[in-house]
Amino acid sequence: EIVMTQSPATLSVSPGERATLSCRASQSISSNLAWYQQKPGQAPRLLIYGASTRATGIPARFSGSGSGTEFTLTISSLQSEDFAVYYCQQYNIWPPYTFGQGTKLEIK
Amino acid sequence: EVQLVESGGGLVKPGGSLRLSCAASGFTFSDYNMNWVRQAPGKGLEWVSSISSSSSYIYYADSVKGRFTISRDNAKKSLYLQMNSLRAEDTAVYYCAPFISGNYGDYWGQGTLVTVSS
Repeated sequence: EIVMTQSPATLSVSPGERATLSCRASQSISSNLAWYQQKPGQAPRLLIYGASTRATGIPARFSGSGSGTEFTLTISSLQSEDFAVYYCQQYNIWPPYTFGQGTKLEIK
Repeated sequence: EVQLVESGGGLVKPGGSLRLSCAASGFTFSDYNMNWVRQAPGKGLEWVSSISSSSSYIYYADSVKGRFTISRDNAKKSLYLQMNSLRAEDTAVYYCAPFISGNYGDYWGQGTLVTVSS
């Protein structure tokens, strides 16, 4: 099973600033990585797939990068609606599909 | 518009059973693999089970293997999860998620809460 590790667990950033979230895979997953945003009481929302391709309707301030075992989600200028929990998911080798434990992005 | 409506959650005692349903619309249900993903209260996302479009391939997480059964009815555009021998650690919101564009969750239902408690 591929283990996904996200860091940090909590990230405090001020609105308007840049946020950088990390996700590491226990073995190479090529670019088969997705990022999700989840707000309290809501289902996850797909942001990025293929490590760097934005899903439909996702603002350009969200960008993904990386391949192999190291991945990054960057939010270039934080808006109030961006404060949420973010998860990465690998789909290179499955079953099982595996998720990171999440990074909570909070207002500083 | 893709819509997924889960139902069947509720409170059940340890060792009990529950059957979840997911009604799908807005896409060609019979063309796509379907999945259940769960989220325990305050915790992260956990993939539970997948079923291929024609039910030929079925997979389970080790944590539910032998206790849960996934199935689908393409004529009814519905996905099911039969959960037996439920444990406290099965308490979670259960989401139905088709993987349409790729092996990732581009669409999600609102989830249904399963609580296992005496």
